Amino acid sequence: NAGVMQNPRHLVRRRGQEARLRCSPMKGHSHVYWYRQLPEEGLKFMVYLQKENIIDESGMPKERFSAEFPKEGPSILRIQQVVRGDSAAYFCASFRSISEKLFFGSGTQLSVL
Amino acid sequence: AQTVTQSQPEMSVQEAETVTLSCTYDTSESDYYLFWYKQPPSRQMILVIRQEAYKQQNATENRFSVNFQKAAKSFSLKISDSQLGDAAMYFCAYRIMNRDDKIIFGKGTRLHILP
Repeated sequence: NAGVMQNPRHLVRRRGQEARLRCSPMKGHSHVYWYRQLPEEGLKFMVYLQKENIIDESGMPKERFSAEFPKEGPSILRIQQVVRGDSAAYFCASFRSISEKLFFGSGTQLSVL
Repeated sequence: AQTVTQSQPEMSVQEAETVTLSCTYDTSESDYYLFWYKQPPSRQMILVIRQEAYKQQNATENRFSVNFQKAAKSFSLKISDSQLGDAAMYFCAYRIMNRDDKIIFGKGTRLHILP
């Protein structure tokens, strides 16, 4: 049973380009969180998704950022027109239900040149 | 709004000694989970220990134990017999029980193990 898979592990983009970060949850998990981590800081909540539903996107900037978790396939965090301030590690975590353990991916390090 | 505060940005401990990392939180809820996560240089988030707020008994996992004081809203992590592999960032976290909601993390404490 593979863990939470995030790809790519590292992503380099120039300012103005689009970044697409993928998260494949563990088998049987229908809940996904996305978090952002700046250097030497904690994890900041961005969005909470269930299959085909956005439960809470209160932590996600209203412009340029979007997230989805389709019925089939991975969850995608999309950042349009990236800026230097978007450089960070982005983590996803999945779980089966709120009473069960959360599993984290290894993160995607986004670097914006 | 719920918040999680870790007041120690960095700590050091001698190998084989015991260290305690502090965490306080603020919530008006009565049912919730508290967690300690470890993040080594590999960046992987590893669950160290979990505590359900309704349980009075402090959670323990091998060399890791917590001191959960619900009235004081305090949740400290004690690491006994510290090992070099314990060097990492440690994050305290909170989540409401029985409701779809996010996990809230503290800013972390970087733990150094001195040989």
